[in-house]
Amino acid sequence: KAGVTQTPRYLIKTRGQQVTLSCSPISGHRSVSWYQQTPGQGLQFLFEYFSETQRNKGNFPGRFSGRQFSNSRSEMNVSTLELGDSALYLCASSLGGVTYNEQFFGPGTRLTVL
Amino acid sequence: EDQVTQSPEALRLQEGESSSLNCSYTVSGLRGLFWYRQDPGKGPEFLFTLYSAGEEKEKERLKATLTKKESFLHITAPKPEDSATYLCAVHGSSNTGKLIFGQGTTLQVKP
Repeated sequence: KAGVTQTPRYLIKTRGQQVTLSCSPISGHRSVSWYQQTPGQGLQFLFEYFSETQRNKGNFPGRFSGRQFSNSRSEMNVSTLELGDSALYLCASSLGGVTYNEQFFGPGTRLTVL
Repeated sequence: EDQVTQSPEALRLQEGESSSLNCSYTVSGLRGLFWYRQDPGKGPEFLFTLYSAGEEKEKERLKATLTKKESFLHITAPKPEDSATYLCAVHGSSNTGKLIFGQGTTLQVKP
């Protein structure tokens, strides 16, 4: 089975711009979670989508948003970028449903904000 | 509030020198404790899931154990290729799809 894929792998943006990141989950997985990883804060949960619905949301400002499509692919958007948004953005997929399954991570998108 | 603390932050071992990494947690209704390995510039790689106290899982030189308050990742006779950051995460009953991660333990194994 192919793993979780994320595009693009690297992005350089300037403050004030917006960015869209994409995630394709493992085939058959219906849940996609997004995380931000920085050296200071570690891995922090952004949000989770299951069957095109946001089921859970972390403590991030409204500039961070996401969506999921009917084929379970997911996108996250960050508007009005700030320097502090520079990070590795990871998506993870799992079977979802009512059980608490392990999450499998993609390689991440490295976002640099100048 | 759900919380995960890992220790030590960094660990240097000689090849063949066994040791353990600790993960202490507080969570409302543990639904799973997960261990991941992360290499620089890559996404975390899934290692183990533990669901209940007393459970143990093994894979090659790694063995994970779980109690009601903490988990240990035992590394037996490590090799240089085991060098990585090891992350512990918990999934609580009140947070669907959300893993709470510890800060990780960076392991360096010297030949």
